[in-house]
Amino acid sequence: QKEVEQNSGPLSVPEGAIASLNCTYSDRGSQSFFWYRQYSGKSPELIMFIYSNGDKEDGRFTAQLNKASQYVSLLIRDSQPSDSATYLCAVKGDYKLSFGAGTTVTVRA
Amino acid sequence: EPEVTQTPSHQVTQMGQEVILRCVPISNHLYFYWYRQILGQKVEFLVSFYNNEISEKSEIFDDQFSVERPDGSNFTLKIRSTKLEDSAMYFCASRPGVDSYNEQFFGPGTRLTVL
Repeated sequence: QKEVEQNSGPLSVPEGAIASLNCTYSDRGSQSFFWYRQYSGKSPELIMFIYSNGDKEDGRFTAQLNKASQYVSLLIRDSQPSDSATYLCAVKGDYKLSFGAGTTVTVRA
Repeated sequence: EPEVTQTPSHQVTQMGQEVILRCVPISNHLYFYWYRQILGQKVEFLVSFYNNEISEKSEIFDDQFSVERPDGSNFTLKIRSTKLEDSAMYFCASRPGVDSYNEQFFGPGTRLTVL
């Protein structure tokens, strides 16, 4: 059973549009959730974390968490070509992060 | 801004050889991690290290793998006898402290190629 699942993508959006990324997780006891961005050949870079139900906004990024549904999402508003990357959902256990396979986003200029 | 560093950036080795991947975590961090990412696949947890001992390890982290913090700054991953399937990007990460919400900061990675 996969621990963290993401919509498979790839996701192509025009510049200025909203990109919507989804993630579900299997461990109902999970408390902390992270979105990382990974450019090709590079290491994961944290965009946001969320641990309370509801929305959390940071600039053009909004993370949403619904623990009852075991669902976390990331919205990227006003998408820019520089947002083109793979977005990784990660769920924290006792120590480790469990990652989803990632969703590749391409922003078309 | 402090960052995690890793050396070498690329390591090529022959199957059966031992390799040591090196990491310097951020100086005041307490938790250290190794992850790997096979090309085209997801990032996978290998091991976490806290207070000079392994706190958690995955099934991947078998007897061929070991970790060490030989001094106050370095954190190493040793693979004793490399296999072709060990070819991957290996990421070191560190985290400040006990707060569950602390993010893990990732190093740039070491690309290991086993021939």
